[in-house]
Amino acid sequence: EDQVTQSPEALRLQEGESSSLNCSYTVSGLRGLFWYRQDPGKGPEFLFTLYSAGEEKEKERLKATLTKKESFLHITAPKPEDSATYLCAVQSSTGANNLFFGTGTRLTVIP
Amino acid sequence: DSGVTQTPKHLITATGQRVTLRCSPRSGDLSVYWYQQSLDQGLQFLIQYYNGEERAKGNILERFSAQQFPDLHSELNLSSLELGDSALYFCASSDGPGGVGEKLFFGSGTQLSVL
Repeated sequence: EDQVTQSPEALRLQEGESSSLNCSYTVSGLRGLFWYRQDPGKGPEFLFTLYSAGEEKEKERLKATLTKKESFLHITAPKPEDSATYLCAVQSSTGANNLFFGTGTRLTVIP
Repeated sequence: DSGVTQTPKHLITATGQRVTLRCSPRSGDLSVYWYQQSLDQGLQFLIQYYNGEERAKGNILERFSAQQFPDLHSELNLSSLELGDSALYFCASSDGPGGVGEKLFFGSGTQLSVL
């Protein structure tokens, strides 16, 4: 059975204080690992897709990396507007096309 | 704005009742997905439709049903509602049947409160 575990559950950072969020996964054949951002009262917003170990993708202050067992979302010099819940999801080769989500990391960046 | 429209934004109803949630996908998208998000369980996949046909099924209760119409909008019907059905219900759409790496675009959700 697919499993996605995100840590920490919540993270408070000072503005400018870099850190990483973790997503550990167990799937039967990874077709893709996705990162989404969710603001309160809104739907998840797509950030990145990673497909194979060693792959990295960047967008502004965010960089996502992938290994065979986990993915990291690195946040460099965060700003208050980066405050949100970050969700990790996997797409497996078990036959279903849907994304299987973790419970997220709630990030708060303090000015 | 993702381009996915969900109505209504909020719904308050009583136990035992039936409600219908509506979703219009992004222009050109053929797949619609329904997810349930509760505080303790995160986003749970319910069901996917592709071009009017059911494509994949997740942990959807028998009391729940969905359909996708010829104009590609979708409705999620929830019946015999229980307190535990209170949650945020999200619709998402994608342009294909769910291929490798296919991105999902989410609506803003319908907050269902069962009293």
